[in-house]
Amino acid sequence: QQQVKQSPQSLIVQKGGISIINCAYENTAFDYFPWYQQFPGKGPALLIAIRPDVSEKKEGRFTISFNKSAKQFSLHIMDSQPGDSATYFCAASISGGKLIFGQGTELSVKP
Amino acid sequence: DGGITQSPKYLFRKEGQNVTLSCEQNLNHDAMYWYRQDPGQGLRLIYYSQIVNDFQKGDIAEGYSVSREKKESFPLTVTSAQKNPTAFYLCATTRGGQENTEAFFGQGTRLTVV
Repeated sequence: QQQVKQSPQSLIVQKGGISIINCAYENTAFDYFPWYQQFPGKGPALLIAIRPDVSEKKEGRFTISFNKSAKQFSLHIMDSQPGDSATYFCAASISGGKLIFGQGTELSVKP
Repeated sequence: DGGITQSPKYLFRKEGQNVTLSCEQNLNHDAMYWYRQDPGQGLRLIYYSQIVNDFQKGDIAEGYSVSREKKESFPLTVTSAQKNPTAFYLCATTRGGQENTEAFFGQGTRLTVV
């Protein structure tokens, strides 16, 4: 019930394309859903986050879509760039508690 | 320069040896966390502490120990009981309390058994 399942494990996208990463959860008590970006040899950094009272949040080229009834949320990267190549993690938590992370998606954007 | 400092960046451990990974923060955050990262397995929680002198086990605590004697420091000891310790270890902090807030991560320590 505490798991967050992320897919795909790896993704290759052409420059200018749309990258889509999906996550699913079971615990309906989760109330915070962040996405983190990690470059090789570095710690993850917060990219964008959403709460379950909204269905979509957009920040620049990055958009989270949230489907409460399906217990799914996804990250969309529009106009993907080679500099977006990194590992992306979805996560979930309950009221300031520990973050539960998905398995990660390694994104490669080809020029 | 505010943030989280993990040291060392690389660490080599011999079989049967205990090693301690350092994590220091100057963000004045109450909560601190240790995660282990292995390829294809995401970030798995080892231990976390929401307040000084208190900590809880995460999902994979066996073979690890921690202490939280100061707000700024949360060292992780990898004991000889941890049979497969080779991994990338990440320390993180959050402000704490009931409100969901951003987690800040250190740059990690890569531990290798030799």
